[in-house]
Amino acid sequence: QKEVEQNSGPLSVPEGAIASLNCTYSDRGSQSFFWYRQYSGKSPELIMSIYSNGDKEDGRFTAQLNKASQYVSLLIRDSQPSDSATYLCAVMSGTYKYIFGTGTRLKVLA
Amino acid sequence: DARVTQTPRHKVTEMGQEVTMRCQPILGHNTVFWYRQTMMQGLELLAYFRNRAPLDDSGMPKDRFSAEMPDATLATLKIQPSEPRDSAVYFCASGLEQGTGKYFGPGTRLTVT
Repeated sequence: QKEVEQNSGPLSVPEGAIASLNCTYSDRGSQSFFWYRQYSGKSPELIMSIYSNGDKEDGRFTAQLNKASQYVSLLIRDSQPSDSATYLCAVMSGTYKYIFGTGTRLKVLA
Repeated sequence: DARVTQTPRHKVTEMGQEVTMRCQPILGHNTVFWYRQTMMQGLELLAYFRNRAPLDDSGMPKDRFSAEMPDATLATLKIQPSEPRDSAVYFCASGLEQGTGKYFGPGTRLTVT
């Protein structure tokens, strides 16, 4: 079992819709969770971090964490074509080990 | 606007040659990571430094890869000898403390022929 799992996609949503990206992790002791956005040919860019159960909102982005289910998600409201990218989930496992999922490719259709 | 910088941005070399990649972390960040990204494997952690001390390099092929941080403003990743399977994008990332987000440099795209 991979330590951090994401559906590779592509996930296609129409412009203006809500995009829902999901991630599961295997280390029950993980405490810190992050979402990165990576445009093609570019480096990953940190967009959200979440540390406690529940929702965390930042503009059009909402991160959701459920530690009991070992599940973290990212919702993007009012999706725009410029949101088309690969979204990487990262989980802090142990004191410093930062494990990335393989990413979900999102396509927002105009 | 503080950023992680990496040089070179692109490198094409022949199998067997030495490759050195450099990274300047964001000033004040005390953690530095080296990652390799390929289509097949995604982002793989190669090495981790905290306060310039190497804490984890278990992701690196030890016989050919080495990572150092000679001072707080420079981290290096060296491959000697390089092989075609080393072709990938190599990212450096830095951060403030454990448990916080990391900030990536633009990457070095390495092609070994």
